[in-house]
Amino acid sequence: GEEVAQTPKHLVRGEGQKAKLYCAPIKGHSYVFWYQQVLKNEFKFLISFQNENVFDETGMPKERFSAKCLPNSPCSLEIQATKLEDSAVYFCASGASTEAFFGQGTRLTVV
Amino acid sequence: GIQVEQSPPDLILQEGANSTLRCNFSDSVNNLQWFHQNPWGQLINLFYIPSGTKQNGRLSATTVATERYSLLYISSSQTTDSGVYFCAVDRNAGNMLTFGGGTRLMVKP
Repeated sequence: GEEVAQTPKHLVRGEGQKAKLYCAPIKGHSYVFWYQQVLKNEFKFLISFQNENVFDETGMPKERFSAKCLPNSPCSLEIQATKLEDSAVYFCASGASTEAFFGQGTRLTVV
Repeated sequence: GIQVEQSPPDLILQEGANSTLRCNFSDSVNNLQWFHQNPWGQLINLFYIPSGTKQNGRLSATTVATERYSLLYISSSQTTDSGVYFCAVDRNAGNMLTFGGGTRLMVKP
């Protein structure tokens, strides 16, 4: 597609429940990135992929967060046993080389 | 890691006014992008500008890579320009973007 598509737009989970977010990158883009925006002005990098391979996962809290980008499927970000502090907007971005294009985000609220 | 600082942090303008937003970064970069996050939270690409000058309607941007700064100019501001403007950079293709803290702009009618 011509834009990065993220689903769902909103997700509410009880503390301890699992959350799964999806991202379909722009066709032809080989890089996919996940970012977390907690406070309105702060972006935290989580993980990036080059095609199906993890490129950089230095931002991932590995004990509860995992992510995949498999061929012919949307990429996914999964949070096991959500905590209140996971409440944030999660943005996915894709890029062919340098310029990144962002999706509309998934707002996760943990209650 | 690379540091990105934006100024001013907050800006209030009267409709029709012009403004300049600044982004300083601490190291050489391969990519620099300006984004507008509108009040609904959408991140809109404004410019991909690792160097040079670009214009798009009332907006223009200049990056002086050798001096490690970029400027975003907004002319004849409109209420729809309100939101937060982010500058983001990365060192190499495929690397994560490092975002500045943003400039929150409010344009009053």
